[in-house]
Amino acid sequence: AQSVAQPEDQVNVAEGNPLTVKCTYSVSGNPYLFWYVQYPNRGLQFLLKYITGDNLVKGSYGFEAEFNKSQTSFHLKKPSALVSDSALYFCAGTGANNLFFGTGTRLTVIP
Amino acid sequence: DAGVIQSPRHEVTEMGQEVTLRCKPISGHNSLFWYRQTMMRGLELLIYFNNNVPIDDSGMPEDRFSAKMPNASFSTLKIQPSEPRDSAVYFCASSLGSSGPYEQYFGPGTRLTVT
Repeated sequence: AQSVAQPEDQVNVAEGNPLTVKCTYSVSGNPYLFWYVQYPNRGLQFLLKYITGDNLVKGSYGFEAEFNKSQTSFHLKKPSALVSDSALYFCAGTGANNLFFGTGTRLTVIP
Repeated sequence: DAGVIQSPRHEVTEMGQEVTLRCKPISGHNSLFWYRQTMMRGLELLIYFNNNVPIDDSGMPEDRFSAKMPNASFSTLKIQPSEPRDSAVYFCASSLGSSGPYEQYFGPGTRLTVT
């Protein structure tokens, strides 16, 4: 079955440090992969997506994600974390006729 | 663009009552999704439509739940009768497609409390 997995329920990082939120995928064919962020009491917001081409995708709020075909990963990264980045992050993907979300990773940036 | 609009934002009802949640997708989007989010079960896809036609309703928990999309600019999710375990935040989202390279745009959600 096609899916994405987020192996970490919780990630803590100090403000100013680089952050990584992990996602691995299992998708046949060419994967379309997405990252969304959810702030408290809000709907999910689109951050970035990978379609094809450059493996490093840049998105909103200084976030980027690296597509790695050999490791089937699509990790979300940011060089310097802000307290305001604290939120719930979802990895997602689409297959031929379906779509799927990961279980979410709660990121806490510690001042 | 107003984004995806959901109403009401909050709904408190008693067990056994009928609840109707409403959604207006972004104009020009042809796919619409209904999700439910709880602490216990996380984010669950309930049903989605392409061009107003339901494509996959395998996530609808039981017959008490029904969804319609009578036209491209309106959808409803109905729960009848409601139960306390239906308490959750319900999100509507829309996109240019249900598969392929199309991101979804989420509404602010409806927080449903069934007492």
